[in-house]
Amino acid sequence: ELKVEQNPLFLSMQEGKNYTIYCNYSTTSDRLYWYRQDPGKSLESLFVLLSNGAVKQEGRLMASLDTKARLSTLHITAAVHDLSATYFCAVDKTDYGQNFVFGPGTRLSVLP
Amino acid sequence: NAGVMQNPRHLVRRRGQEARLRCSPMKGHSHVYWYRQLPEEGLKFMVYLQKENIIDESGMPKERFSAEFPKEGPSILRIQQVVRGDSAAYFCASSPIGRNEKLFFGSGTQLSVL
Repeated sequence: ELKVEQNPLFLSMQEGKNYTIYCNYSTTSDRLYWYRQDPGKSLESLFVLLSNGAVKQEGRLMASLDTKARLSTLHITAAVHDLSATYFCAVDKTDYGQNFVFGPGTRLSVLP
Repeated sequence: NAGVMQNPRHLVRRRGQEARLRCSPMKGHSHVYWYRQLPEEGLKFMVYLQKENIIDESGMPKERFSAEFPKEGPSILRIQQVVRGDSAAYFCASSPIGRNEKLFFGSGTQLSVL
């Protein structure tokens, strides 16, 4: 059974600091997705990583995928308050469709 | 281009009643997925449908839950004889094709069972 873990689960950081969120998964997959969710809101797609070594960047966020280590990272550079949200990684467990297995989420609070 | 539309946004039911949740995918999307999110948890896959077909319902409870995506109209997630444990946020997502595409999520339906 595919399991997806994230750490940390809670992260409180000051504006301007850097930090990394880790996503580990238990079985082979080369498709990993990062989503953001604000409280009471839906999920917003951040990154789609489709191969080993994939790296994508958008603003202060950068995501990477190491399929051999079964690890993805979401790096935050010079955090700002607007990044406060819950971040989920998801791994596609099938060869068809999108039966995503989501991690438990990392709740990020960026403090002034 | 409207996004994934879910309604109602909030639904309150008493134990034993039926809950019907609706989802209209984005225009041009023929794949619909339902996920459930319990408080403080990640999303759990329930069911994957294409028009008139259930492709994967491995995450759906065997009893009381059913889903459909008819040729015309929205996808419906139906929960019969609701219990308190069914209280959760139910998210619908759609995609244009079946693989390597990100999912577009609706705003969700918050179901509260009294």
